[in-house]
Amino acid sequence: EIVLTQSPGTLSLSPGERATLSCRASQSVSSTYLAWYQQKPGQAPRLLIYGASSRATGIPDRFSGSGSGTDFTLTISRLEPEDFAVYYCQLYGSSPLFSFGQGTKLEIK
Amino acid sequence: QVQLQESGPGLVKPSQTLSLTCTVSGGSITSYYWSWIRQPPGKGLEWIGYIYSSGGTNYHPSLKSRVTISIDTSKNQFSLQLSSVTAADTAIYYCARERAYRFDCWGQGTLVTVSS
Repeated sequence: EIVLTQSPGTLSLSPGERATLSCRASQSVSSTYLAWYQQKPGQAPRLLIYGASSRATGIPDRFSGSGSGTDFTLTISRLEPEDFAVYYCQLYGSSPLFSFGQGTKLEIK
Repeated sequence: QVQLQESGPGLVKPSQTLSLTCTVSGGSITSYYWSWIRQPPGKGLEWIGYIYSSGGTNYHPSLKSRVTISIDTSKNQFSLQLSSVTAADTAIYYCARERAYRFDCWGQGTLVTVSS
């Protein structure tokens, strides 16, 4: 089983700042199979990034993804008030077929 | 625009079977993989399993003995059954469409509480 570990658990920043969220896999994975989601309270997760670096439809370009092997990063270049939420990385492959990181909560400082 | 909507009882007694249905509107259920994902209150996401429109399935190993996912293409619906539930199965249950290794469309979720 490949485990995804997200860090930090909580990130406190101010609007306008840059956010860097990490997702580390316990063994090397294909970037094709790595996605990121945003979840706001009371809402379903929303796909942000797939294939480690491709933005989903309608996602603003302040969101970007990067990484390969075991280390992946979601970057939000300039935080908007609506960006404060919980972020999950997700992997396809191995067993179980789909797995999620434990999440990073991005909160307003 | 494809939309997904979960439906089913919000309260299930321990040891009984949880049953939920996801109705897909605005598009066809054929030629896609359809998943169930759950989230215990205040916790993270757990994939339960998926079904392809032709009926093939894959389940999370830890739930495999208790899970059945089925599909009715004539109604554009797919369903989840989870047997022998306990309080640990209390969660928000989401249905979602999987496309090319990611979940690109989600239902709003439905809270299922296991309690006597």
